[in-house]
Amino acid sequence: DIVMTQSPLSLAVTPGETASISCRSSQSLLHSYGASALAWYLQKPGQSPQLLIFLGSNRASGVPDRFSGSGSGTHFTLTINRVEADDVGVYYCMQAVQTPITFGPGTKVDLK
Amino acid sequence: QLIESGGGLGKPGESLTLSCAASGLTFSRAWMSWARQTPGKGLEWIGRIKSTNDGATTDYAAPVKGRFTISRDDSNNMLTLQMNSLNNEDTGIYYCASGGLWFESWGQGILVTVSS
Repeated sequence: DIVMTQSPLSLAVTPGETASISCRSSQSLLHSYGASALAWYLQKPGQSPQLLIFLGSNRASGVPDRFSGSGSGTHFTLTINRVEADDVGVYYCMQAVQTPITFGPGTKVDLK
Repeated sequence: QLIESGGGLGKPGESLTLSCAASGLTFSRAWMSWARQTPGKGLEWIGRIKSTNDGATTDYAAPVKGRFTISRDDSNNMLTLQMNSLNNEDTGIYYCASGGLWFESWGQGILVTVSS
């Protein structure tokens, strides 16, 4: 199974500042389609996860351009520019290059 | 929109069935997954069913393989998770989700509690 790790596991950010979350996989996530099968989700308190980024760097519909994804192979980064109060929650990366699909442990983002 | 139903309390060894009603997507073309969330293991993918066009084949995670079965009814836009031989580790919030390489939509989640 592909193991997903995230760092940090917890992050406190000042509103307006930038937050970065790292996600690493135990194997390359390069899909035969030529893109990375890596997605990012945000789970706000009391809600189900919502898609932010797919194929490593593509923003989902309705996601503000303050969110960006980058990386390839086994190392990926989610960057949140100009953090807002609505960005609080737990961020997960997920790989789907092979089954079982696996998630990272999550990074909890709070405001300072 | 995805809406789960059928959760609740089950005893170890018993069975429960979850359903997921889909709307607003072309269900017959969608790959569908079930995932669960537990305090101990975080988010865990349980399994998926490909679209009927792709053979409606299923894949499962090791902890549920042989006990859980995913099926789909495209005529009613319904996804089902049949859970047999439940154990305490199956306790959690269960989500259905649509998508193959990424999950663009998730249900609101439904609680399953396994306890004697």
